[in-house]
Amino acid sequence: GAGVSQSPSNKVTEKGKDVELRCDPISGHTALYWYRQSLGQGLEFLIYFQGNSAPDKSGLPSDRFSAERTGGSVSTLTIQRTQQEDSAVYLCASSLGGLAGGRSKNIQYFGAGTRLSVL
Amino acid sequence: QKEVEQDPGPLSVPEGAIVSLNCTYSNSAFQYFMWYRQYSRKGPELLMYTYSSGNKEDGRFTAQVDKSSKYISLFIRDSQPSDSATYLCAMSAMGFQKLVFGTGTRLLVSP
Repeated sequence: GAGVSQSPSNKVTEKGKDVELRCDPISGHTALYWYRQSLGQGLEFLIYFQGNSAPDKSGLPSDRFSAERTGGSVSTLTIQRTQQEDSAVYLCASSLGGLAGGRSKNIQYFGAGTRLSVL
Repeated sequence: QKEVEQDPGPLSVPEGAIVSLNCTYSNSAFQYFMWYRQYSRKGPELLMYTYSSGNKEDGRFTAQVDKSSKYISLFIRDSQPSDSATYLCAMSAMGFQKLVFGTGTRLLVSP
């Protein structure tokens, strides 16, 4: 079946511009996550959505970063006034979440990511 | 100090070797332990998933968790050139969704 889909796969932007990154999770997955992977660093958690609950935004590095999830499915990560240090691969993951699936509900499946370069 | 420590490598081995990859962690609340494989310019792919302590085997892969030492390992038997990738350990606390990742170990298996 279809996996997690992210677009665009690559994005080059100028410092100060806003960018939007899109994530389409696996059908039926209620939980959605955004991570950032910088060169030489591990994946850094950004934000987590579970169903209709308020998102966990504890990983967002600044107020320039925001994310929304419309209709419990597609999510958009927005970075305003991009800076060079925002250059990284932005990864989206989804999992079953909720009450279904027992412990396997926590297994996260990742998309291929969006490689963001800020010039 | 990072919550999860992982040697970045690279680790170079000949084809057929047994590979040992390891992570240490500091948060005793972690209960879920995972290993992901990431090929260049691809997203991480789940390899193994373990809950609490113990061993789990899947084909050529064996995952071990020692919670008393806060140490987890992934063993790859009969390594193949196609195993060349970055291996990321990840963990989370019971009921808490946020995964904490190691930086990843780059593995190179030469023919």
